[in-house]
Parts: sequence; C-alpha cells; structure tokens
Amino acid sequence: TQLLEQSPQFLSIQEGENLTVYCNSSSVFSSLQWYRQEPGEGPVLLVTVVTGGEVKKLKRLTFQFGDARKDSSLHITAAQPGDTGLYLCAEGQGFSFIFGKGTRLLVKP
Amino acid sequence: NAGVMQNPRHLVRRRGQEARLRCSPMKGHSHVYWYRQLPEEGLKFMVYLQKENIIDESGMPKERFSAEFPKEGPSILRIQQVVRGDSAAYFCASSPGPGNTIYFGEGSWLTVV
Repeated sequence: TQLLEQSPQFLSIQEGENLTVYCNSSSVFSSLQWYRQEPGEGPVLLVTVVTGGEVKKLKRLTFQFGDARKDSSLHITAAQPGDTGLYLCAEGQGFSFIFGKGTRLLVKP
Repeated sequence: NAGVMQNPRHLVRRRGQEARLRCSPMKGHSHVYWYRQLPEEGLKFMVYLQKENIIDESGMPKERFSAEFPKEGPSILRIQQVVRGDSAAYFCASSPGPGNTIYFGEGSWLTVV
C-alpha cells in the first residue's frame, strides 16, 4: 500500500512570508492532486499534476512534481491570511484516492 | 462548488441511534466515494459506489456501516447503533469515472452523545 507523507505537519508564519510544503510517496505516483481544506468545509481541488518534472502555477501557488514522480511540493509566495488551511495531497490507488495527513498552515496578519 | 451536495451538514445522535447521511453527486457524475475524517487525522477512504453497485468497500467497518447508491436519488451512508467513536466528519466525493479527479462535498459532521 502506497503511503503519502506530508511535511511539515504544522506551519505558522507571518503574512508576506514564503513557504514550501512537501508530499512524498513510498512509490511512484501515477498522478497527484493537491487540495486545500478550510475548517468546517470539504477539501477543494487546487491542481492535478501528471508528468514528472511538471510545474504548475496558480496565482501565488507553485506546484512541482518530482522528476521521478515520487514527490511533490507546493510553494506559496507572499502568504496571506486567506491561505490558512489544511493542505492535502492525494494519489489514486485502485478505485480510490489515498490522502496524506496534510500540512496545517496558519498565516498570521 | 455547486456540485456535490451533502445533507445534513450537522447531525447529533445519541448512542445506539441510527445516522443517515445523504450525498447527491455533481451533475454528470455517476461515481461516488465516501471518506471519513477524524479529528487531527487524514481522510480515510470508506467506500466507492456506482449507480446500484458497490465497487469497493474495503474501507468500510464490517459492522453497523452500509452504503448505497440507488438508481434514483442520492447515495446514502447509514450507520446503525452509533457509538462515540463514530463522531467524525463524513465527506462524499464524486467523479465522472474511475481514476478521474474527485470533487468533494462540504461534509456531514456527526456527533454522537
């Protein structure tokens, strides 16, 4: 069974700082999804990455998929309080998707 | 997300009662997934259904839990004789087909008192 490890577990930063969170797998991903979940809400899809080495940008968010497709990173530039939430990575496995435990980000004004 | 609709959003049940959670998938999606999220834990897969079929229930507890997705109407996750440990957020997700990206509803929060 593939395991997804996310790091760090918690991150507290000041508004305006940059940060990177990571998602690593015990084996090769076929594709990887990043979600953000706010308290009391369901996860919202941010991006899907498929190709090794792929980089996708979503405003201040930059997603990278490792060349070997066993790791991915999410970099946020100039973080804002609205970026606060739980960032989850997920990968398809069989009929379902498995999720990491997430990185809980707090951006303080 | 005008798509996946879950109700109720919040449900309180006494120990021993039954809980029924409903999920209507996004328009055009015929595949439904149920996940459970315990406090400070990740999302855990429970069951994957297509219309009138349970495809994968490997994540479902063997007793008290059941799921269905009838030809007409929403998918239902049913928990019989609830216990305190069933208190969690239950999320439904849907996709147009297997292996496609899944889209989540806003969740149903079950509290067992």
